[in-house]
Amino acid sequence: GAVVSQHPSWVICKSGTSVKIECRSLDFQATTMFWYRQFPKQSLMLMATSNEGSKATYEQGVEKDKFLINHASLTLSTLTVTSAHPEDSSFYICSAREAGWSPLHFGNGTRLTVT
Amino acid sequence: AQSVTQPDIHITVSEGASLELRCNYSYGATPYLFWYVQSPGQGLQLLLKYFSGDTLVQGIKGFEAEFKRSQSSFNLRKPSVHWSDAAEYFCAVEREYGNKLVFGAGTILRVKS
Repeated sequence: GAVVSQHPSWVICKSGTSVKIECRSLDFQATTMFWYRQFPKQSLMLMATSNEGSKATYEQGVEKDKFLINHASLTLSTLTVTSAHPEDSSFYICSAREAGWSPLHFGNGTRLTVT
Repeated sequence: AQSVTQPDIHITVSEGASLELRCNYSYGATPYLFWYVQSPGQGLQLLLKYFSGDTLVQGIKGFEAEFKRSQSSFNLRKPSVHWSDAAEYFCAVEREYGNKLVFGAGTILRVKS
């Protein structure tokens, strides 16, 4: 079945630094990728939708300058948390789908801890 | 705006007992409906989905869900729960295919032996 690989699975960084999270579709071409954020004991909140080759569409309240999303190829999207702060600590999950009538496939998530 | 309600934050069932997790959605038309399962620290796995047709859908791991338009519900069921089913379950709604998913708050399932 379709596999989405997310890397790293966990990362600890210091406040003020930037962190990049990768999301790769391993055996299919993902025309659309989604990035979610999940706070402890809460549901997933969509942060942004990215289509290959175009700018990401951010949800209301998500700072696009803080959460940089790049979807440069059909198999890779990256989320960069810039100038991270402790409140950015969260579980970030990506998902991807091929074009047309195909289901979403989720990565295993990245646990970000900002100290 | 569409929303998804999972009224039960936690549910505890005995191994071998039946399970029903509730999900209600609010949206004018019939959306696409999904159930996902998430183990601790992991991503989400799709259990089943409803697009149209038969309102009782079968999924993986012995799960099924029934779409009831009159109640705007899409409850997840399993006749006999196994200890390995302990996880968090999310109901999700997609207004139109290719659009974004809106998730419910999740229900944590605990299975006692």
